[in-house]
Parts: sequence; structure tokens; C-alpha cells
Amino acid sequence: GNSVTQMEGPVTLSEEAFLTINCTYTATGYPSLFWYVQYPGEGLQLLLKATKADDKGSNKGFEATYRKETTSFHLEKGSVQVSDSAVYFCALSKSGGGADGLTFGKGTHLIIQP
Amino acid sequence: DSGVTQTPKHLITATGQRVTLRCSPRSGDLSVYWYQQSLDQGLQFLIQYYNGEERAKGNILERFSAQQFPDLHSELNLSSLELGDSALYFCASSPRLKGAADTQYFGPGTRLTVL
Repeated sequence: GNSVTQMEGPVTLSEEAFLTINCTYTATGYPSLFWYVQYPGEGLQLLLKATKADDKGSNKGFEATYRKETTSFHLEKGSVQVSDSAVYFCALSKSGGGADGLTFGKGTHLIIQP
Repeated sequence: DSGVTQTPKHLITATGQRVTLRCSPRSGDLSVYWYQQSLDQGLQFLIQYYNGEERAKGNILERFSAQQFPDLHSELNLSSLELGDSALYFCASSPRLKGAADTQYFGPGTRLTVL
């Protein structure tokens, strides 16, 4: 079956540091890949997505590239801010029919210190 | 604000009881998904409805059921509740059935506590 593996953290960084959160997946076919963010006490918000190999998703300074050869979708940001503190979830969706829910990783708790 | 609403925000009940969680999707969205978020299991897909019909099932227990009504709102029914059912329950919606690239928009969740 499909699965997503990501570092769970917590990951603690200083403001303006470079961020990488690793995400690898196992899936048949060609899934779509997503990063969602969950701020304290809130629901999940889509951060970025990529639907085919070598696609780069980007939003709010965050980027992730769909790497089929390494089955990865690592999240990066060049300079993090305190407001980026949240839990980040990597997820995949089966391609084609789409009649399926998202498969999520366990989530990575990111803490940015001033 | 995603446009997906869920009620109630919090629910406290006792073991053995039955509860109903309600979700209103974004205007125009036909697909509704239910997810459970717990500390030990993480975020798990439970069930999907499209335009009133069940379309996909995930790790949903037999004690749980859902439906989507003609006005497209959905309800998740949880019965014979156990302590382990305590979790955050999220609803999400998306426009279409087909197309895995469709973004799912999540509601704020209902926090269920079973005592």
C-alpha cells in the first residue's frame, strides 16, 4: 500500500536558518504529492503540491521538488521565521481516479526560536 | 478560513455513547472526506463521499458510519464509543471526484473526548 515517511522532530531552528524536512514515499503509479501545514489549534492548510515528476511546488518561500528517482518530496525554505512554527505534513494522493483519501506522514513539529 | 465548517468544535462524552459530527463543504465542492487525527495513529483517512454516494473507504471502524445529504453537507456517526476514539476529526472537501491533483480543503476539526 501507499505510505509516507517523514522526520518527526521536533525540529528546532533559529530564525533565518535554512530548513529541510525530509519526506519519502512508497506508492504504485504516479501519485500527486502535497505539503500541508497545521498551526496550533487550527486545521490543515495546503502549503504546496506537485503532480508529476520534476515538478516544483512553491509557496510563501517554501519549495519542494517531486523526485521520482528517489521517491522524495523534501520541503525547504531558505530563511525561516518564528511564524513558521507549526506541524508540517507530507502527503500523497493516488493518481488517475482520485477516489481516495490522502495518505499522510506522521508530521514534523517545527519550532523556530527568535 | 478554508470555507469548510465543522460542528461542534468540542465534544465530550462517555464510553458506549453515540455522537454525530457535522461538516459543511466549501460552496460548490462535491467531494467530502473524513479524517481522524490521534497521537498514536497520526492522520488517517476514514471515508469519502461524492455527491451523496460513498466513493472510498479507508481505516474506518464498523462502529463508524457517514452520509452525505442532498445539500452536500455530511455527518460522521460514531457509536459504542471507546476511550481510544478520542481524537480530532477533520472534514475536507474538494471540487471533483476524479483528478488526484485536486486540493482538499480542511475544516477546523471537531475534538472528541471520550471519558
